[in-house]
Amino acid sequence: SQTIHQWPATLVQPVGSPLSLECTVEGTSNPNLYWYRQAAGRGLQLLFYSVGIGQISSEVPQNLSASRPQDRQFILSSKKLLLSDSGFYLCAGAGGAAPLHFGNGTRLTVT
Amino acid sequence: GNSVTQMEGPVTLSEEAFLTINCTYTATGYPSLFWYVQYPGEGLQLLLKATKADDKGSNKGFEATYRKETTSFHLEKGSVQVSDSAVYFCALSDLYNQGGKLIFGQGTELSVKP
Repeated sequence: SQTIHQWPATLVQPVGSPLSLECTVEGTSNPNLYWYRQAAGRGLQLLFYSVGIGQISSEVPQNLSASRPQDRQFILSSKKLLLSDSGFYLCAGAGGAAPLHFGNGTRLTVT
Repeated sequence: GNSVTQMEGPVTLSEEAFLTINCTYTATGYPSLFWYVQYPGEGLQLLLKATKADDKGSNKGFEATYRKETTSFHLEKGSVQVSDSAVYFCALSDLYNQGGKLIFGQGTELSVKP
């Protein structure tokens, strides 16, 4: 079965510092991969999705970027973090018509 | 475009009470519908799904029926437990529109008291 690995689980970073969150997928090949953000007390906002290596679609304009250097690797990055980037970031993946599976999330606090 | 609307929370119930969390959707195609659950501090887990009209998804005592005529997918459980306390998300995915991306509702927080 499909498993999504995310790290780190928690992260505290100062404003203006860079960010790199990594997500890897096991149990399926050529998955669709997604980055969601969940702000405190709110629902899930889709940030990026990818249907293959090097293919990234951005859903909302923002301070973040995503890359997919390998089939099962999806990275969320920022060159300079803002306070508003704080939140709970979730990576998700789905192979074919299978339902979306989620990682355990990264709680990012920008101070 | 496609969207999902859930009843606002928080919902507070006593143990063994009946639960209903309302969910309605708007979609141009023929979406699949899902309920996900998020326990405190964790990611989301798929709770149940239904892929076509009149399908009933069920898991762990929860169930939801895909109602095309009312564009609804309400979550129900006959007798809730304290361990059911979590945030519940209704979602849809339309493979033939929007590339199968999962669109979520805002989430409904459920708190079950002993």
